[in-house]
Amino acid sequence: SQQGEEDPQALSIQEGENATMNCSYKTSINNLQWYRQNSGRGLVHLILIRSNEREKHSGRLRVTLDTSKKSSSLLITASRAADTASYFCATCDSWGKLQFGAGTQVVVTP
Amino acid sequence: DGGITQSPKYLFRKEGQNVTLSCEQNLNHDAMYWYRQDPGQGLRLIYYSQIVNDFQKGDIAEGYSVSREKKESFPLTVTSAQKNPTAFYLCASSIAHGQGTDTQYFGPGTRLTVL
Repeated sequence: SQQGEEDPQALSIQEGENATMNCSYKTSINNLQWYRQNSGRGLVHLILIRSNEREKHSGRLRVTLDTSKKSSSLLITASRAADTASYFCATCDSWGKLQFGAGTQVVVTP
Repeated sequence: DGGITQSPKYLFRKEGQNVTLSCEQNLNHDAMYWYRQDPGQGLRLIYYSQIVNDFQKGDIAEGYSVSREKKESFPLTVTSAQKNPTAFYLCASSIAHGQGTDTQYFGPGTRLTVL
């Protein structure tokens, strides 16, 4: 079974709006990562947040991690049409194994 | 897609045939991975290799085989024993496995269709 579960499954917004997606997981983690996948392509790593971190920023991306609630969120600010993609969270255990959620499909309309 | 190449991009196979998917990386990474992705789902780990001449089963290894004879290459064979092989296959690599450098770099994928 998948460790991470993203919510919502799909999200449609207009350019300039913010997009927020959440990830919940079940077991303890070493770190949590977010990846992006354009249709029919490979995954691209966006950001990694370690279990002892609460918030991390990278450009227009903001990730939070709440280990007490076993949840993480990814915020994309000022979205652009080029942000249209599927976004996956992946939990990493102490052995370095990644487990991916089913993803959130984001559509940004001009 | 970084320095990882996968070939072919599309592959068609008849039932009962084995087929090998290629994955090559020039990132000098020690660890390599094979994942399977089905429509609307996340990735599931098939096999991974931490170092040359060593590999471990992932969550869904049945019906698949791999080899790691060179650091740059990690081919995946989908055998006739795999009951439902039609899927999108993704190869990835990382600097090392389980040592805090866990970011994985993905290839562009191979879409396998069994006819």
